Amino acid sequence: KAGVTQTPRYLIKTRGQQVTLSCSPISGHRSVSWYQQTPGQGLQFLFEYFSETQRNKGNFPGRFSGRQFSNSRSEMNVSTLELGDSALYLCASSLPGAPYEQYFGPGTRLTVT
Amino acid sequence: AQKITQTQPGMFVQEKEAVTLDCTYDTSDPSYGLFWYKQPSSGEMIFLIYQGSYDQQNATEGRYSLNFQKARKSANLVISASQLGDSAMYFCAMGPHTGANSKLTFGKGITLSVRP
Repeated sequence: KAGVTQTPRYLIKTRGQQVTLSCSPISGHRSVSWYQQTPGQGLQFLFEYFSETQRNKGNFPGRFSGRQFSNSRSEMNVSTLELGDSALYLCASSLPGAPYEQYFGPGTRLTVT
Repeated sequence: AQKITQTQPGMFVQEKEAVTLDCTYDTSDPSYGLFWYKQPSSGEMIFLIYQGSYDQQNATEGRYSLNFQKARKSANLVISASQLGDSAMYFCAMGPHTGANSKLTFGKGITLSVRP
């Protein structure tokens, strides 16, 4: 069974640009969560999608958004990038009703210059 | 609100010895789950072990065991027979056991270095 995949793995963007990251969950998993990891703030929850609906959201500005498609693949978008958005972005997938089985992808490392 | 505390500084252990990584938590939820993840330098978060708050027995997965003490609100990870490949960052996290969301709250992590 394939694991969670994230693309791209590495990304360099300039301040003010926008970026879209993609996450494909494990087959059969319908919940996808996104996390931001920085040295200063650690791992912080961004949002969670289930059946194409956002059902939980962390404390991030509106520049951070996401969506989920009917095949459970999810994308997150960050608009008007700031230097502080440089981070490792991780997504995790889980089965409906089984949040105790959460598996992460390899992450996308975003650098904003 | 849920909170996870990992206060140990970098940990060192000799290869083949056992090591305990500490984790304390705080929550007002009656039902919850506790997770441990390993993050090597490559960045991927690797699931190690899970403990539900109502589970009577401590969880074990191969060389990993979770020492769950509910009254003390602690969920320490024990790694037996350490291997060089165990050198990594280890995160304790809290999340739901069941229910309508999958949000995890993470601690700051502990760096483990295994010496040959």
